[in-house]
Amino acid sequence: SAVISQKPSRDICQRGTSLTIQCQVDSQVTMMFWYRQQPGQSLTLIATANQGSEATYESGFVIDKFPISRPNLTFSTLTVSNMSPEDSSIYLCSAASTDRSYEAFFGQGTRLTVV
Amino acid sequence: GIQVEQSPPDLILQEGANSTLRCNFSDSVNNLQWFHQNPWGQLINLFYIPSGTKQNGRLSATTVATERYSLLYISSSQTTDSGVYFCAVERVDSSYKLIFGSGTRLLVRP
Repeated sequence: SAVISQKPSRDICQRGTSLTIQCQVDSQVTMMFWYRQQPGQSLTLIATANQGSEATYESGFVIDKFPISRPNLTFSTLTVSNMSPEDSSIYLCSAASTDRSYEAFFGQGTRLTVV
Repeated sequence: GIQVEQSPPDLILQEGANSTLRCNFSDSVNNLQWFHQNPWGQLINLFYIPSGTKQNGRLSATTVATERYSLLYISSSQTTDSGVYFCAVERVDSSYKLIFGSGTRLLVRP
């Protein structure tokens, strides 16, 4: 299985600021994704992180609010910009690869609280 | 879009009891996975099971793709089984993106 490390694991941030979350996979993967889990809710896909090009965002999510980078096949970042308390959530990075039949694996998540 | 429904939403068990969790989905899928989210928020892969039956220790899962449902069986439950169980599916045309059900929250009491 793929091992996915996220940093930071948790943070408390002031409203109006930005936080960048890092996701590192222990091997090259085909696909990387970012999900959000609001308190008491299920997971919702934010975007697909595309290597070397702009991310593909799901309905309701925009690049200005959630800029994403993926400079290579093992690393991606998600920035939560101009934060408000409504952004308080767990953010999870996911990866999948052709040599694992596209089974998806997840990082441990970043628990964000905006005050 | 595809709908993923899980039942029951909440479940309380006494340690040692067995349980069955259900996941229904509204359209054909390429992939179905079961996850356990522990109290710290981490998602643990349980099964990658687009069809058929798999077993791993006290856990087993069955997916009947033609009837659009999957079942997760937990036998001889332990307190460490507590947490939220999610079913997630990948649509046939969705490029490996997962759509999650709303989850089953399980509490196993000693």
